[in-house]
Amino acid sequence: GNSVTQMEGPVTLSEEAFLTINCTYTATGYPSLFWYVQYPGEGLQLLLKATKADDKGSNKGFEATYRKETTSFHLEKGSVQVSDSAVYFCALSGYTGNQFYFGTGTSLTVIP
Amino acid sequence: EAGVTQFPSHSVIEKGQTVTLRCDPISGHDNLYWYRRVMGKEIKFLLHFVKESKQDESGMPNNRFLAERTGGTYSTLKVQPAELEDSGVYFCASSRGLAGSFSYEQYFGPGTRLTVT
Repeated sequence: GNSVTQMEGPVTLSEEAFLTINCTYTATGYPSLFWYVQYPGEGLQLLLKATKADDKGSNKGFEATYRKETTSFHLEKGSVQVSDSAVYFCALSGYTGNQFYFGTGTSLTVIP
Repeated sequence: EAGVTQFPSHSVIEKGQTVTLRCDPISGHDNLYWYRRVMGKEIKFLLHFVKESKQDESGMPNNRFLAERTGGTYSTLKVQPAELEDSGVYFCASSRGLAGSFSYEQYFGPGTRLTVT
């Protein structure tokens, strides 16, 4: 079956630090992979996505590469800001595209 | 374009009571989904509508949960009677994509936080 395992939080970083949030997956077929972000008081927003192996998704300075050989989609950012404080969810969608499978979410707090 | 909206934002009810959550998807989106996040755990799929029809309700926990989508527009999720374990955040999402297509984005609402005491 499909599942996503995500790095446990919470994570606290100083401003301008490097961020990595690990995500690995189990899937049948060829899933698409996503990172969603939830800012305080808001809904989930798509941060980035990748639809096939070796694709790199990027947005707002965040990047993640779809690694089929390691079944991973780790989220990285070179220099975090206070405004990046949020909960980050890794997710996959199977080729039928009907439902998303999410990880448990990782809470990130960036301090000045 | 208005996003996905959900009402109420918070609901506190006693065990045994009934609660109805509402979701208004983005106009023109035929696909509507309900998900739930229980405290600290993953967001889990509940069900999927295509227009007014239930496409997949494999994630519905039991028959205390009833979802409807009147006329293929807004959707309601009723919990009757509510139990303590129903507490969590209920998310609604919508998408334009066709079933079978790759990687179409789902647009999520802010969620309804349900607390059953």
